[in-house]
Amino acid sequence: GAGVSQSPSNKVTEKGKDVELRCDPISGHTALYWYRQSLGQGLEFLIYFQGNSAPDKSGLPSDRFSAERTGGSVSTLTIQRTQQEDSAVYLCASSQSPYPRETQYFGPGTRLLVL
Amino acid sequence: AQTVTQSQPEMSVQEAETVTLSCTYDTSESDYYLFWYKQPPSRQMILVIRQEAYKQQNATENRFSVNFQKAAKSFSLKISDSQLGDAAMYFCAYRSPRGNTPLVFGKGTRLSVIA
Repeated sequence: GAGVSQSPSNKVTEKGKDVELRCDPISGHTALYWYRQSLGQGLEFLIYFQGNSAPDKSGLPSDRFSAERTGGSVSTLTIQRTQQEDSAVYLCASSQSPYPRETQYFGPGTRLLVL
Repeated sequence: AQTVTQSQPEMSVQEAETVTLSCTYDTSESDYYLFWYKQPPSRQMILVIRQEAYKQQNATENRFSVNFQKAAKSFSLKISDSQLGDAAMYFCAYRSPRGNTPLVFGKGTRLSVIA
């Protein structure tokens, strides 16, 4: 079946602009995660959605970052007033359930460059 | 908070040889899950192998195996009969047994395979 998809693949924007990144999880997966991968760094957790529960926003670095998940499926990560330090690869992952042993399946990511 | 450390930023191996990637972690939890993910240039994170801390037996998946030393909090990945397609970034990751928790990643090891 189809895997996790993300769009756009690459995004170049000017400092101060808003950007939206999209994630389509695997059909039927209830858990969805956003991670950020900065150059030379590991993945940093941003936000987590599970079913209809309130999301875990504990990893969001500032109030310029927000995310939503509509209908328990597609998710959008929005970065307002982008800064150069926001440049990174943004990865989305989904899993069938939130249980810790469940494999998280990752999308190919969106590479964001803020000029 | 849990942390994951990968002390080898880069490694190289001759084709058909064996290489071991190191990973240590810090946690106060007694039960947890450990993962190795592979990230090729396509950016897609792919699960290589998973270890459940309550299992004493080391996990094995074809040419990939781990050496899990719970007391030492060490989780190394051994790749046997290395192939050119194994060249990638490898990330070690930790997951708490508590529900609804994200993966905690190390900073990765870049593996090169020399023909």
